Amino acid sequence: DIQMTQSPSSLSASVGDRVIITCRASQSITNFLNWYQQKPGKAPKLLIYAASSLQSGVPSRFSGSGSGTDFTLTISSLQPDDFATYYCQQSFRTPKTFGQGTKVDIK
Amino acid sequence: QVELVQSGAEVKKPGASVKVSCKASGYSFTSYYINWVRQIPGHGLEWMGLINPNVGFTKYAQKFQGRVTMTRDTSTGTVYMELNSLTSEDTAVYFCARDVTGGGCDYWGQGTLVTVSS
Repeated sequence: DIQMTQSPSSLSASVGDRVIITCRASQSITNFLNWYQQKPGKAPKLLIYAASSLQSGVPSRFSGSGSGTDFTLTISSLQPDDFATYYCQQSFRTPKTFGQGTKVDIK
Repeated sequence: QVELVQSGAEVKKPGASVKVSCKASGYSFTSYYINWVRQIPGHGLEWMGLINPNVGFTKYAQKFQGRVTMTRDTSTGTVYMELNSLTSEDTAVYFCARDVTGGGCDYWGQGTLVTVSS
């Protein structure tokens, strides 16, 4: 199975901050990397697919980059609605494994 | 609009089985795979498997192989996930999610809490 490792596991940030979350795959997944946002008690929401494509309706402050094994999710200016847990997921091969999550909370 | 509506919460005894449904609407049911993902309370997301609603092809995570069965009913646009031999470690919220080929899961059900307790 492809292992996905996110860092950090949690971070504290302020509104307006630039936030970067990284995700590393245990082998190359080309660009088959997706990012989700999840809030407590809710289903995950797709933010970014194919490493860098913004899902329809997602604010442009979210962006993704990377290929091969190393990927990043960037929130350019953190907004109050962005405090949540973020997960990466590889869709290169089944099982479509997720990272362990990064919780973003208020500093 | 695209919608995935799951069945309600379940409470099961250890050793029992549970069958969760996921009714799709607002799109061509047979055109998109459906994934099942679970989340143990306070933990991350775990991919369980997927089904191709067109032909019924399934792919399961090794961890659940032999214990999970995913099926579909094309007449009602519903997919099902049945998990057998439940233990307390199966207590989780189970989600269905529409798969975009090569991409992620763009629509999700609301989740079904399955509690396994004696």
